[in-house]
Order: sequence, then structure tokens, then C-alpha cells
Amino acid sequence: QKEVEQNSGPLSVPEGAIASLNCTYSDRGSQSFFWYRQYSGKSPELIMSIYSNGDKEDGRFTAQLNKASQYVSLLIRDSQPSDSATYLCAAFNAGNNRKLIWGLGTSLAVNP
Amino acid sequence: EAQVTQNPRYLITVTGKKLTVTCSQNMNHEYMSWYRQDPGLGLRQIYYSMNVEVTDKGDVPEGYKVSRKEKRNFPLILESPSPNQTSLYFCASSLTGTRWWDTQYFGPGTRLTVL
Repeated sequence: QKEVEQNSGPLSVPEGAIASLNCTYSDRGSQSFFWYRQYSGKSPELIMSIYSNGDKEDGRFTAQLNKASQYVSLLIRDSQPSDSATYLCAAFNAGNNRKLIWGLGTSLAVNP
Repeated sequence: EAQVTQNPRYLITVTGKKLTVTCSQNMNHEYMSWYRQDPGLGLRQIYYSMNVEVTDKGDVPEGYKVSRKEKRNFPLILESPSPNQTSLYFCASSLTGTRWWDTQYFGPGTRLTVL
């Protein structure tokens, strides 16, 4: 069973701090990775995608991928209360089964 | 405004009463998909469609039907709903069927309760 695992949280950080969200995946053939943000009662929204080892930055968000360790992370700098949400990690394998596997999400609370 | 719309947003029904949840997108996307989201189980794909008249089962298709007669619409049909289909349902679309996983746009969700 292919899995994407995330710590459910809640992860609590003070406003202005760096929030670090982590995700591990079991399918070594996964090639594409995504972070979606989901506010309570709302739909998921894509915030970052990453395909190569290393860092990818977009504004206050940085995604990090380490395929050898099967590890993806999302860093949120200068965290704001509006960042409080559940962050879903997803991994895609374009090989055999072409499945997008979703994690259960990490709940982030940014405290003013 | 580019968007995916779903109707109804909330629905309470009884076991066995057929229902349809509509999904429409105005972005000319080829790929559309239905998910359900349940606590502890996360997002699970029900059905997907690579393009008009092409549909296929996802991970949890039992008890559901879909059709894709037009590019913009992808209704989800529950012929005989049961309480285990109580869930939050999302429709999603992507620009192309060839790289559908790259960016999915989700509808606002439909919260269904089956009594």
C-alpha cells in the first residue's frame, strides 16, 4: 500500500515564526509532489509543487524535496494567522498506476 | 471568474433516495474528478474523466455513478445512497488529461448526510 504520511498536529507557532511541515512517502517511484492548503470547511488549494531534489521558493513558502530520504517539507516564513489551516501533502507516480496519493494533512495554528 | 462550482453545497437525505451532485467548470478543462474526504481517511478519488465520454473508476467507486456528456459538466450520481456515503465531496478539474496531477482546481465541496 503506497502511503504519504504527515504528522496530524496541531503544529502551533507564534506569528512571525517559521512553520515547518513534513511529509514522508513510501513509493520510491514518486516523481511529483504537491502541497495543498485547506482552510476549515473549504476546498484544497495548491500552493506549491516540486519535482526535483532541493529547494523551491515561492514568496514566503519553500518546498524541500529529498528523494533519497523520501521526504518532502514545506517551510512557511513569517507565519501569519491567515496561514492557519490544514496542509495536505500529495505524491504522484507517473509509472505503473499513475496514482496521486494524499496524506491526511497537518493542522497548523499560527498564534498572534 | 475561473471556477469549479458544485450544487448543492449541503444535502441531508434518507437511505435509498437517488440524488445527483452537479459539478461544472468554466475553464475548458479536459480532466475532471470526484473525491470524498473523511476524517482519518483523507481524500479518496471516486471517479475521474480524462475528457468527454471518457470516465474511469478511482479508488472508491462503489455506490456511485458518473457521466461526462459535456466538457464542462461532471455530475456524481448516488442511485441508492447509504449512511456510509455520508461525507464531504469535492469535484476537481485540471487543464489536461495528460498531466492532470500538476494542478487541480477544487470546487467548494458538498457536505452530504445520509440518514
